[in-house]
Amino acid sequence: DIQLTQSPSSLSASVGDRVTITCQASQDIPNYLNWYQQKQGKVPKLLIYDVSNLETGVPSRFSGSGSGTDFTFTISSLQPEDIATYYCQQYDNLPLFGQGTKLEIK
Amino acid sequence: EVQLLESGGGLVQPGGSLRLSCAASGFTFSSYAMTWVRQGPGKGLEWVSGISRTGGSRYYADSVKGRFTISRDNSKNTLYLQMNSLRAEDTAVYYCAKDRGILVRGVFDPWGQGTLVTVSS
Repeated sequence: DIQLTQSPSSLSASVGDRVTITCQASQDIPNYLNWYQQKQGKVPKLLIYDVSNLETGVPSRFSGSGSGTDFTFTISSLQPEDIATYYCQQYDNLPLFGQGTKLEIK
Repeated sequence: EVQLLESGGGLVQPGGSLRLSCAASGFTFSSYAMTWVRQGPGKGLEWVSGISRTGGSRYYADSVKGRFTISRDNSKNTLYLQMNSLRAEDTAVYYCAKDRGILVRGVFDPWGQGTLVTVSS
């Protein structure tokens, strides 16, 4: 079974900071990797699909990259409204979510 | 506008059963795979089950295999999750979500508001 390791589990950053979250798969998952945002008390929202494709309406400060087993999610300039928990998710086999990264403002 | 509305959650005793429903609107329901994802209290997201657009292919997480059954009625635009032999660890908010493909592809958008299932004596 594929394992997904997302890190860090929590992150505190200042407004304007560049924020990076990583997701590592236990085996090659080509481009079958998505990123979701879940704000407190809200429903998860798809931000990026297939590694680097930004959903319509998602601000360009969000981006994704990577290939094979190592993937990165980046917020180029953190905004207060970006406070949320972020999840990676692979679907090379059955869908599997990472453990989540809780992002807070410093 | 795509809308997904879950119902059927509630309090059930360990070993009991519950059937969740997800009413879909705003898109051609029969053209897309659908999925269930759950989130335990204070925990992360866990994929539970997915079904192809025709219902011919169904997939389950190991944690629910043999206890849960996913189904759909395309004439009623409704997705179901029959949950049997419920355990305390099944306590969670259950979300239905639309998949991007006709098979269970794994790109979930959008999600419903969720329905809470509590398994407790």
